[in-house]
Amino acid sequence: AQSVTQLGSHVSVSEGALVLLRCNYSSSVPPYLFWYVQYPNQGLQLLLKYTSAATLVKGINGFEAEFKKSETSFHLTKPSAHMSDAAEYFCAVSGYNQGGKLIFGQGTELSVKP
Amino acid sequence: GAVVSQHPSRVICKSGTSVKIECRSLDFQATTMFWYRQFPKQSLMLMATSNEGSKATYEQGVEKDKFLINHASLTLSTLTVTSAHPEDSSFYICSAPVSGGAYEQYFGPGTRLTVT
Repeated sequence: AQSVTQLGSHVSVSEGALVLLRCNYSSSVPPYLFWYVQYPNQGLQLLLKYTSAATLVKGINGFEAEFKKSETSFHLTKPSAHMSDAAEYFCAVSGYNQGGKLIFGQGTELSVKP
Repeated sequence: GAVVSQHPSRVICKSGTSVKIECRSLDFQATTMFWYRQFPKQSLMLMATSNEGSKATYEQGVEKDKFLINHASLTLSTLTVTSAHPEDSSFYICSAPVSGGAYEQYFGPGTRLTVT
């Protein structure tokens, strides 16, 4: 079985500050991990993914995430927040034997203050 | 990149009627598509896996007679909400995995269903 827990349903940062969105996973098989972003009333856009290659993954819009197996974590970071980063962020897990199914975390709403 | 479209983007229907939502992969073929449901301020819940040429696989707790899924071709899956009720009001999103993409999926823009 697989599951994802995102710590913090809402995170608020100032423009230019570090963004840190937390994600912990549980998986009985080697996981594939994803971060998606969702803007209001829109679908999901892939930010980055981990698929058992490099543990530090760089994505679009300056985001990156580090896979830490010992901590079962896949936290999302960005050095300097921009107003346009305000959105809902979802961490998701899948596995090689899951037929492509994604299990999503609860989501974290990121607010960016000017 | 690959594009997945949904139609309609927004629909309002009366209680007791049925509504069909289409999900299309525009520039690639998809033998499998996924349907998710999202309530306001909540996460996506996987409803079912749509399989081209065979029956859909529903997640536990999802009524298959309520949410009819048909995967008629390699580029089209439809979700029909039958005898809709206000509690079916939600945001429905489909996705399709990209071949060779390590289970990367492309998501449609979603369909907002409101049942009055």
